[in-house]
Amino acid sequence: SAVISQKPSRDICQRGTSLTIQCQVDSQVTMMFWYRQQPGQSLTLIATANQGSEATYESGFVIDKFPISRPNLTFSTLTVSNMSPEDSSIYLCSVLGEGNQPQHFGDGTRLSIL
Amino acid sequence: DQQVKQNSPSLSVQEGRISILNCDYTNSMFDYFLWYKKYPAEGPTFLISISSIKDKNEDGRFTVFLNKSAKHLSLHIVPSQPGDSAVYFCAASSNYGGSQGNLIFGKGTKLSVKP
Repeated sequence: SAVISQKPSRDICQRGTSLTIQCQVDSQVTMMFWYRQQPGQSLTLIATANQGSEATYESGFVIDKFPISRPNLTFSTLTVSNMSPEDSSIYLCSVLGEGNQPQHFGDGTRLSIL
Repeated sequence: DQQVKQNSPSLSVQEGRISILNCDYTNSMFDYFLWYKKYPAEGPTFLISISSIKDKNEDGRFTVFLNKSAKHLSLHIVPSQPGDSAVYFCAASSNYGGSQGNLIFGKGTKLSVKP
């Protein structure tokens, strides 16, 4: 399965700032996704990162807060904008390979906002 | 409203015995179910899946059972090993034939296997 590298692995940020998380895959993949796991909660899909077009956001998530880029089939970024303590979560990138294989996850970015 | 529920936050089992992790769902449109295992500081790792046309899928020590009428699935691990200690997430999807994009996850069950 694809190897996914997420950067940074963790960060501590100040309220009101923004952070961009990178997701690099070692092979071309058709679909990439961004999830959030708030403390004690389940993983929740933020958006599907579409190559060459705007991301598709799930209910409750908006582009202004979580802008996403996907310039090619191996790379995507998620920005968490104007952060508040409620944004403290683990953010995970996942990919769906060819042949309808199950989603495969990166190790996540643990984000804490002071 | 949680569509996928794992009602046991934790489970402790002796090495060599069976571990049974349970998952309930509410959406009858779900047609594909997955179990992921997660170690600390790592991302979830796919373990086993089952489509709604089956009621059982087995892979080595891991077996998933699906009861569609009860909207319930379970993961059996036999025999349990200390290396199985992790958080197990149940997930469901309603578009198996399509993108499987939106996986709905439960909150997870932390399994501890004691030597």
